[in-house]
Amino acid sequence: KAGVTQTPRYLIKTRGQQVTLSCSPISGHRSVSWYQQTPGQGLQFLFEYFSETQRNKGNFPGRFSGRQFSNSRSEMNVSTLELGDSALYLCASSLAPGYNQPQHFGDGTRLSIL
Amino acid sequence: GDSVTQMEGPVTLSEEAFLTINCTYTATGYPSLFWYVQYPGEGLQLLLKATKADDKGSNKGFEATYRKETTSFHLEKGSVQVSDSAVYFCALSDTSNQFYFGTGTSLTVIP
Repeated sequence: KAGVTQTPRYLIKTRGQQVTLSCSPISGHRSVSWYQQTPGQGLQFLFEYFSETQRNKGNFPGRFSGRQFSNSRSEMNVSTLELGDSALYLCASSLAPGYNQPQHFGDGTRLSIL
Repeated sequence: GDSVTQMEGPVTLSEEAFLTINCTYTATGYPSLFWYVQYPGEGLQLLLKATKADDKGSNKGFEATYRKETTSFHLEKGSVQVSDSAVYFCALSDTSNQFYFGTGTSLTVIP
């Protein structure tokens, strides 16, 4: 069974640009969450989608947005990139929202801002 | 709000030593608790979970018991191997399905 797939694995951008990251969840999983991981802040929750609807949102500026498609694939977009956006962005999927549902993570997209 | 506090690292142990990584949580209600492991260059992998008080999660020789009275979920392993070197994250999921992660504890096991 294929795991969570994130593309691309690595990305280099410059300040002011925008970027779109993609996540394909495990087959049958309908809930997708996004996290930002940095050495200083650890893992921070960005947002969660289920059935194409955003259910939860973390404390990030409006430059960070996402969406989910009918096949459960998800994308996140960051506009007007800043140096501080350099991070590992992780996507996680689960069967459905539910507090006892474990999340299954992809290997992440490493975003570097120059 | 909900939060997870995890033992600061890094932790360095010799092979076959006993491992404990402390984790305490703050939550309203009855969260589910998880341990995840992250190897270099990879995402997080679920190691074990417990969904109610006194549950013991176990996997690959690792164990953790959900202690509601002390709001703790400490990770233990009786005999670590070099291959256990990784970063370990304690996490909770509350009833709104939002996950909260600890800051991670880096473990290095030396032969």
